Amino acid sequence: DTGVSQNPRHKITKRGQNVTFRCDPISEHNRLYWYRQTLGQGPEFLTYFQNEAQLEKSRLLSDRFSAERPKGSFSTLEIQRTEQGDSAMYLCASSSGTSGIFANEQYFGPGTRLTVT
Amino acid sequence: AQSVSQHNHHVILSEAASLELGCNYSYGGTVNLFWYVQYPGQHLQLLLKYFSGDPLVKGIKGFEAEFIKSKFSFNLRKPSVQWSDTAEYFCAVAGFQKLVFGTGTRLLVSP
Repeated sequence: DTGVSQNPRHKITKRGQNVTFRCDPISEHNRLYWYRQTLGQGPEFLTYFQNEAQLEKSRLLSDRFSAERPKGSFSTLEIQRTEQGDSAMYLCASSSGTSGIFANEQYFGPGTRLTVT
Repeated sequence: AQSVSQHNHHVILSEAASLELGCNYSYGGTVNLFWYVQYPGQHLQLLLKYFSGDPLVKGIKGFEAEFIKSKFSFNLRKPSVQWSDTAEYFCAVAGFQKLVFGTGTRLLVSP
């Protein structure tokens, strides 16, 4: 399967702990996105990478959140000092980039469901 | 900033009924528009997209959508739904390097 993969698929953690999620995009895609989805809502944009450069971050991404994409391949999203409000599905997507400023179609992974107790 | 409204949160249909799901967006300039579907237990998949050209776009599994610029709408349609179309459907507009999604419509098709 050459789609977007995410690990782990589920994570249960206690409030105050740190968690890290991994995303492996489609190999030829240079753009990688993180979204968060809560119950009854559509995905909400968190951050975006073009190759290894993090080019945009949402206001939703507090200082406790950090994302990296070393060498422009896989990406990690870390949440420090988790709070109950961080409980959500964290989605990763990738796309092939052009010079256009508007987003192209994005291919989504299965997501990591985080539950903070 | 772009935004998307999906007015139908839950839709229940019988098999063979026709489907139309509403989607309105707020951005007045050039838009790229998408419909994504999420089947139970599966990840988001692209149904169809509109970038430019013919405002009636056809997607997978018999779905189509019509872009009406004057109404800021991009409604999804299917002439005859099947039980397997039970899923959640999301409309999205392309923002600057990101997608802006609506809240989704849960479709339940009863056999």
